[in-house]
Amino acid sequence: GQSLEQPSEVTAVEGAIVQINCTYQTSGFYGLSWYQQHDGGAPTFLSYNALDGLEETGRFSSFLSRSDSYGYLLLQELQMKDSASYFCADTGGFKTIFGAGTRLFVKA
Amino acid sequence: GAVVSQHPSWVICKSGTSVKIECRSLDFQATTMFWYRQFPKQSLMLMATSNEGSKATYEQGVEKDKFLINHASLTLSTLTVTSAHPEDSSFYICSAKTGEGNYGYTFGSGTRLTVV
Repeated sequence: GQSLEQPSEVTAVEGAIVQINCTYQTSGFYGLSWYQQHDGGAPTFLSYNALDGLEETGRFSSFLSRSDSYGYLLLQELQMKDSASYFCADTGGFKTIFGAGTRLFVKA
Repeated sequence: GAVVSQHPSWVICKSGTSVKIECRSLDFQATTMFWYRQFPKQSLMLMATSNEGSKATYEQGVEKDKFLINHASLTLSTLTVTSAHPEDSSFYICSAKTGEGNYGYTFGSGTRLTVV
């Protein structure tokens, strides 16, 4: 089977840095994706790691370690609009399986 | 970029009636469309995978006779919730693969279904 574990909630202040971890147990793992979802909206793609290491896209970075079955999403210079749910996902080659999601609350 | 148009965005229906949700791929052909259901504050759960011109593949525990999926063309997939009940109230989202590799998925805007 496939499962991805991530913390249920994280709280941080504006301007800070926050890291959302994701550990996975999957068969046929291809790569780790991250999605952002605001309440009532659809998920939007943030990043993808196929190889070990760090991928940086503006204020967001994502990391993958296949040997540890672990990855994280790093958000820098937090803004109020970053308050949302963040899902890690295993693309599994053909279909995407999502983690339970982490609700990020950004406080002023 | 690639867009998946989903309609309606919200619908309220009476118990026992059926509701159809449409997802259209704009400016690209979606051979495969994925249908998800999401309950409040929970993750997206894959319900089924629809393939153009063939039968959908349902995930374990999803009733294929209740959630009818049709993918008659390369740009349109529909999900029909038949004989809806209050417990079917949820957020339904479709997605299609739009990019190269295994990560290029685009989601529809979702449909909020409320069964009363």
